[in-house]
Amino acid sequence: AQRVTQPEKLLSVFKGAPVELKCNYSYSGSPELFWYVQYSRQRLQLLLRHISRESIKGFTADLNKGETSFHLKKPFAQEEDSAMYYCALPRDNYGQNFVFGPGTRLSVLP
Amino acid sequence: DTGVSQNPRHKITKRGQNVTFRCDPISEHNRLYWYRQTLGQGPEFLTYFQNEAQLEKSRLLSDRFSAERPKGSFSTLEIQRTEQGDSAMYLCASSETGGSEKLFFGSGTQLSVL
Repeated sequence: AQRVTQPEKLLSVFKGAPVELKCNYSYSGSPELFWYVQYSRQRLQLLLRHISRESIKGFTADLNKGETSFHLKKPFAQEEDSAMYYCALPRDNYGQNFVFGPGTRLSVLP
Repeated sequence: DTGVSQNPRHKITKRGQNVTFRCDPISEHNRLYWYRQTLGQGPEFLTYFQNEAQLEKSRLLSDRFSAERPKGSFSTLEIQRTEQGDSAMYLCASSETGGSEKLFFGSGTQLSVL
């Protein structure tokens, strides 16, 4: 069954430090993975998807099929990056709904 | 605001009562999803619709839960004979059709069962 794990519940870094939010998955097939973010008092929203190979707000994520990982990285964290981050992948090969990880709370300290 | 709208934002009820939540998706979106989120967890899939057809239900969705999307527009989620374990944030999301599409989430309905 498809599953997403995010080993860190809380990650604290200082402003300007690099940050890496870990995501590991189990999936039969070629997955498409997503990172969703929820800022304080805002709704859950898409941050980036691996198929787009884009950088959003300085964040990037690389799919490593050998390690079944999709870690989210940013070289220099900003205070406004503080939020809950959820890794997600489709529940099936049709991509019609999603499994979410438990989330990691990122706290960027001044 | 043309995003996904959920009502009410908060619902407090006594155990054993029935509750109903409403979700209005983004108008051109064919797919509508219901998720449940408890403290410290990510959203857990409950059910989803493509237009008016309910295509999948999670085993989390017991017989006390029912969802409808009668005209392929708004959806309702009803919980009958609520239990304290039903206390959670109920999230609605919508997306366009066609592969792994981006989900647009509502703000959720926070249910507290006393």
